[in-house]
Amino acid sequence: GQSLEQPSEVTAVEGAIVQINCTYQTSGFYGLSWYQQHDGGAPTFLSYNGLDGLEETGRFSSFLSRSDSYGYLLLQELQMKDSASYFCASRSGNTPLVFGKGTRLSVIA
Amino acid sequence: NAGVMQNPRHLVRRRGQEARLRCSPMKGHSHVYWYRQLPEEGLKFMVYLQKENIIDESGMPKERFSAEFPKEGPSILRIQQVVRGDSAAYFCASSPWANQQGSGYEQYFGPGTRLTVT
Repeated sequence: GQSLEQPSEVTAVEGAIVQINCTYQTSGFYGLSWYQQHDGGAPTFLSYNGLDGLEETGRFSSFLSRSDSYGYLLLQELQMKDSASYFCASRSGNTPLVFGKGTRLSVIA
Repeated sequence: NAGVMQNPRHLVRRRGQEARLRCSPMKGHSHVYWYRQLPEEGLKFMVYLQKENIIDESGMPKERFSAEFPKEGPSILRIQQVVRGDSAAYFCASSPWANQQGSGYEQYFGPGTRLTVT
C-alpha cells in the first residue's frame, strides 16, 4: 500500500518562511506532487519532484530525497493569501495519485 | 481555454435518490479522475477513465457507484440510492497525458460538486 504523512496544521507569520514536510511509504515510487487548496476551492497543482533535489517556482520550492522517503514544500515571503491547505501526493507504479491528508497553513499578521 | 467544468456545483438529494455529477475535462485532455473529499480530509481517489474506458476503479465502492466517460460528452459519476454517508465534495480532475508509470502527476481540478444527502 501507499501512505503519506504530513502535519495537520502549521502557523506562520506573514513575511516569514515555512516548510511543510511529507514522508511517504510507497512501493515503486516515481515522484511527489504538491497541491494547494483554499477553503471551498479546488486543488491547484504547485510542483512536482521526479528527481532528488530542489525545484523552485517563484516563492514556492519543493524538495525530494528518495533515500529518506521525504519531501517538503517551502513557502517564502509568506502572504495572507497563502493561508490554505497543502497536500503532497505520490505517484508510483500503475496506480493513481495518492494524496496525504493535507496541512492547513495559517498565515498570521 | 476553459478549465475543468463540473456541474452542478451543489446538489441536494434525499436518501434513496440518484445523484448524477458531470465533468467536462480541459480541452485536449483525455484522462479524467474522480475524487471524493470529506471535510478536513484529503482527496480519496475513486476512478480513472479515458474516453470510453475505465482504467482504474479501485477506489470506487462496488455497489451504487458507477462512472463513465463516453466518446462524446462529459464524464458522469452516478451514485444510486444515496445515503447520508455519501455527502461530500466530489472533484473531477483531468490531465493531458498518463504514461506507463500511471496517472499524470499534474492534474487540473474542477471546482467540485458538493453533494448533501438529507
